[in-house]
Amino acid sequence: GAVVSQHPSWVICKSGTSVKIECRSLDFQATTMFWYRQFPKQSLMLMATSNEGSKATYEQGVEKDKFLINHASLTLSTLTVTSAHPEDSSFYICSAQELAGLATDTQYFGPGTRLTVL
Amino acid sequence: GESVGLHLPTLSVQEGDNSIINCAYSNSASDYFIWYKQESGKGPQFIIDIRSNMDKRQGQRVTVLLNKTVKHLSLQIAATQPGDSAVYFCAENGSGGSNYKLTFGKGTLLTVNP
Repeated sequence: GAVVSQHPSWVICKSGTSVKIECRSLDFQATTMFWYRQFPKQSLMLMATSNEGSKATYEQGVEKDKFLINHASLTLSTLTVTSAHPEDSSFYICSAQELAGLATDTQYFGPGTRLTVL
Repeated sequence: GESVGLHLPTLSVQEGDNSIINCAYSNSASDYFIWYKQESGKGPQFIIDIRSNMDKRQGQRVTVLLNKTVKHLSLQIAATQPGDSAVYFCAENGSGGSNYKLTFGKGTLLTVNP
């Protein structure tokens, strides 16, 4: 149980184009999904918190107009990197938190999406 | 916070030995801690968690110890196997309640030599 998928697993795009990454919770409903970014040999940095049916909350320094997040249902959140540039190349990872009370606040992570912008 | 360019701390052990990975956290209000394992090119995988009202929790081949006095967390892996080679991250939930944001540590690269 508690499986989170991401699609695509990797993507290469040209500078200036937009890329959409999907995050799905496969066997549970997620009240909250999180988007992280990870550079090589570094830790995960939280970009934004996404709640179903409401606007995402972005961390300081993350451009909301560049990283568009849509949490359309309790099993799907999408991250769109708009007008991508080479510096946006990174490993993007989502996580999902199960719909439950305080006892179940574990975040389950997706496999990540490797974005390369040429 | 993170410093760009620093290498990950590393731990190298022989197969069959026990491994201890340490983590210091900064927020004394954190009440929930998790250890994740991340293999190259993959997302983090949940290993074990512990709440602040406990100081020890055991799983299969893993034990997490929490010392709130010195804000220190450790992960012990018994009889380490080559498949345990990965980067291990500790994470803390800063304020509990409805805020479930996790703050990740820098990570430790564990290499198990056969």
